[in-house]
Amino acid sequence: DAGVTQSPTHLIKTRGQQVTLRCSPKSGHDTVSWYQQALGQGPQFIFQYYEEEERQRGNFPDRFSGHQFPNYSSELNVNALLLGDSALYLCASSLVDRGLDYTFGSGTRLTVV
Amino acid sequence: AQSVAQPEDQVNVAEGNPLTVKCTYSVSGNPYLFWYVQYPNRGLQFLLKYITGDNLVKGSYGFEAEFNKSQTSFHLKKPSALVSDSALYFCAVRDRGSTLGRLYFGRGTQLTVWP
Repeated sequence: DAGVTQSPTHLIKTRGQQVTLRCSPKSGHDTVSWYQQALGQGPQFIFQYYEEEERQRGNFPDRFSGHQFPNYSSELNVNALLLGDSALYLCASSLVDRGLDYTFGSGTRLTVV
Repeated sequence: AQSVAQPEDQVNVAEGNPLTVKCTYSVSGNPYLFWYVQYPNRGLQFLLKYITGDNLVKGSYGFEAEFNKSQTSFHLKKPSALVSDSALYFCAVRDRGSTLGRLYFGRGTQLTVWP
């Protein structure tokens, strides 16, 4: 049973560029949440997708956007990258009817130079 | 606003000794409480959660946590630490108000168990 798959694992981008990160949820899960984990910090909630709609959003600017596809996979897009966007981006999937069981992916390490 | 505090950035213990990683929270209502562990360059692995009932929750790898409502704490414990327990530990909370809840994490505590 595959867990949460994130791609790519590592990424280096230049300031001002745009990036897309991808997440395939655990089989049977229908909800995807994205978190940003800066160095030395705990994960911070970015947003959550369910039924292809953004359901909740954390305190992140509009440069951060997302999408969920009919197969429940999700993308996180970040525009106009800043140095401060360098972080580990984690995807977590869950099932809405059993919302306490979160499965995290291994993350995408984004470095902005 | 929901917040989670892990007052110790680092905890060091000798193998075989008991360990405690502290967590306190400030939330409205009665939240769900979680502990996750993170190994280098990896995502978060679930250890245990408190939903309701018994204040002592048993989880994976011999870990347990004690929920204390009056002190708003949820400390992680293990009777006998292993070197392989060395990792970064996160406490998290989620409110009960929605089926689409989000997690609020503490800053993490680096646990080092020396031989």
